[in-house]
Amino acid sequence: TQLLEQSPQFLSIQEGENLTVYCNSSSVFSSLQWYRQEPGEGPVLLVTVVTGGEVKKLKRLTFQFGDARKDSSLHITAAQPGDTGLYLCAGSLMYSGGGADGLTFGKGTHLIIQP
Amino acid sequence: NAGVTQTPKFRILKIGQSMTLQCTQDMNHNYMYWYRQDPGMGLKLIYYSVGAGITDKGEVPNGYNVSRSTTEDFPLRLELAAPSQTSVYFCASRRTQETQYFGPGTRLLVL
Repeated sequence: TQLLEQSPQFLSIQEGENLTVYCNSSSVFSSLQWYRQEPGEGPVLLVTVVTGGEVKKLKRLTFQFGDARKDSSLHITAAQPGDTGLYLCAGSLMYSGGGADGLTFGKGTHLIIQP
Repeated sequence: NAGVTQTPKFRILKIGQSMTLQCTQDMNHNYMYWYRQDPGMGLKLIYYSVGAGITDKGEVPNGYNVSRSTTEDFPLRLELAAPSQTSVYFCASRRTQETQYFGPGTRLLVL
């Protein structure tokens, strides 16, 4: 059973287009994080969202945490080839003893931005 | 700071061989983690540690062992390598509640 479902799994779009990727769950999370991973490297943290309904912006990236703390979205405006990579969402379950026992990861969205 | 470092970067093992994947962090983080990432499957937690001398199982601990004798080091041991352990292994550490820092990974192939 996958606690965090990410969609779409694969997305290939042209440079300049907008896109949204989703991270959904039936479980409640105390926080959700978005990572970006490039081939041959480890995941790199982009943002952490903690409060239900929270919206955070990182240049052309907008992250939202659902009101019920069960889902999150990542919106990219005017995508660029440098945005290409694997985007992973990960969360700390609400009742996981403070989160010391690691993160639950989704399978990721493979994003390709074509010039 | 070097952050989280992992060695080796790549290794090929024969079935039944053993090896230790090394992980070191120089950020004085208490929490350390081992994950494996299989193609198309995201990351799954193998073992974690909340401090020196304390370790606990994650989601997929079978076939692995860990130790945490110092704050800096968290080695992962494979005693009898199996093809199912072919994967990319990531070590991570954190100090605060949320932000985990990942190492570059160890790619393991078991033939």
